[in-house]
Amino acid sequence: DVKVTQSSRYLVKRTGEKVFLECVQDMDHENMFWYRQDPGLGLRLIYFSYDVKMKEKGDIPEGYSVSREKKERFSLILESASTNQTSMYLCASSLERQFSPLHFGNGTRLTVT
Amino acid sequence: AQKITQTQPGMFVQEKEAVTLDCTYDTSDPSYGLFWYKQPSSGEMIFLIYQGSYDQQNATEGRYSLNFQKARKSANLVISASQLGDSAMYFCAMREGLIQGAQKLVFGQGTRLTINP
Repeated sequence: DVKVTQSSRYLVKRTGEKVFLECVQDMDHENMFWYRQDPGLGLRLIYFSYDVKMKEKGDIPEGYSVSREKKERFSLILESASTNQTSMYLCASSLERQFSPLHFGNGTRLTVT
Repeated sequence: AQKITQTQPGMFVQEKEAVTLDCTYDTSDPSYGLFWYKQPSSGEMIFLIYQGSYDQQNATEGRYSLNFQKARKSANLVISASQLGDSAMYFCAMREGLIQGAQKLVFGQGTRLTINP
């Protein structure tokens, strides 16, 4: 069974702090994604990666960066957290194969005060 | 730009009834895929069913089926014989392009389904 693990379930940070959200998958998937989920807006793609050290911007990359130094690990970085980044963050992975479904982690609920 | 629309923010259904969750999409790409995910209150996203744009048959997976009407650009999820455990948020999603093998999924706003005993 595919397992996508996000390092924290809940996180509280202060405005201006640098925040790291970590995600690890154990199925050797090529693709990894970061989404944020907000009520009424569904899931919006922040960044994704199709290979080690490769990344592409999603629909809302502003204020975020990512790092993928190893195939199994994909990190989301908030350079200077702001209150409008309070949200649920979901990491996902998938095979490179066409139409392969995304497998999600349990999410990290981040609160920025 | 591709777009997914789920027009039902919430639905209430009696246990054992069938339920249809609506999803319409907009794309000019002839090749695309449609996905449905379930998110229970615990938060994890569970993949339910997939439909490819070139598939001739409607997808089915146990109690889940996808009513795919290509000309109308709709991909409604049908749950037969609903159960209390079906209460959750449901998201429709569409594959958006294919960059280096990565499938960007675009999600709808979601429908919160509540099954009443």
